[in-house]
Amino acid sequence: LAKTTQPISMDSYEGQEVNITCSHNNIATNDYITWYQQFPSQGPRFIIQGYKTKVTNEVASLFIPADRKSSTLSLPRVSLSDTAVYYCLVGDDGRGSTLGRLYFGRGTQLTVWP
Amino acid sequence: EADIYQTPRYLVIGTGKKITLECSQTMGHDKMYWYQQDPGMELHLIHYSYGVNSTEKGDLSSESTVSRIRTEHFPLTLESARPSHTSQYLCASSDPSGEYLTDTQYFGPGTRLTVL
Repeated sequence: LAKTTQPISMDSYEGQEVNITCSHNNIATNDYITWYQQFPSQGPRFIIQGYKTKVTNEVASLFIPADRKSSTLSLPRVSLSDTAVYYCLVGDDGRGSTLGRLYFGRGTQLTVWP
Repeated sequence: EADIYQTPRYLVIGTGKKITLECSQTMGHDKMYWYQQDPGMELHLIHYSYGVNSTEKGDLSSESTVSRIRTEHFPLTLESARPSHTSQYLCASSDPSGEYLTDTQYFGPGTRLTVL
């Protein structure tokens, strides 16, 4: 399982854009990059996923450079409710004989201040 | 929104008791997982299942056991609880036919277990 490295914590203010960068130097060709969000006393929740270049959904954007050794989760105009732990994971597609197991590191604790 | 349930949400129990943490999903997912997470720490996979009658141990050694008799149900059992078992236990399920590139794991709300 390819492991990831991301900052332990980040602080921001309401209305700002937040970018969380994750390193995954050992990412394999079949691996995809996925970000999850976890609020206290809850299970993680899927945010966004990508393989290369840029992906955008209603919640966030994910930027992946050509070498795929890192990725950046971008949260536009954060609010207090975005305070959570954000996990960057890499894993294969899980189809066929593989489990598609994901490694959840310690994640990045994002704190948004008023 | 995914439908995966865990009961109880909180459990305080004495040492030596047998406990079963329940996990159910109504999405018909074949793959199910149990994770253990201490406050502020990473999630550790302790058990997983590919489907009915399939169970495997995860990355973190655990004294718990699991069963998968029905697709929707994946209970975790501790035969004799100890204080070292105090932790949060998270259940998840995934479906390889989902819209995303890889299995998206849907998590339950977790059970916070305290063993005195």
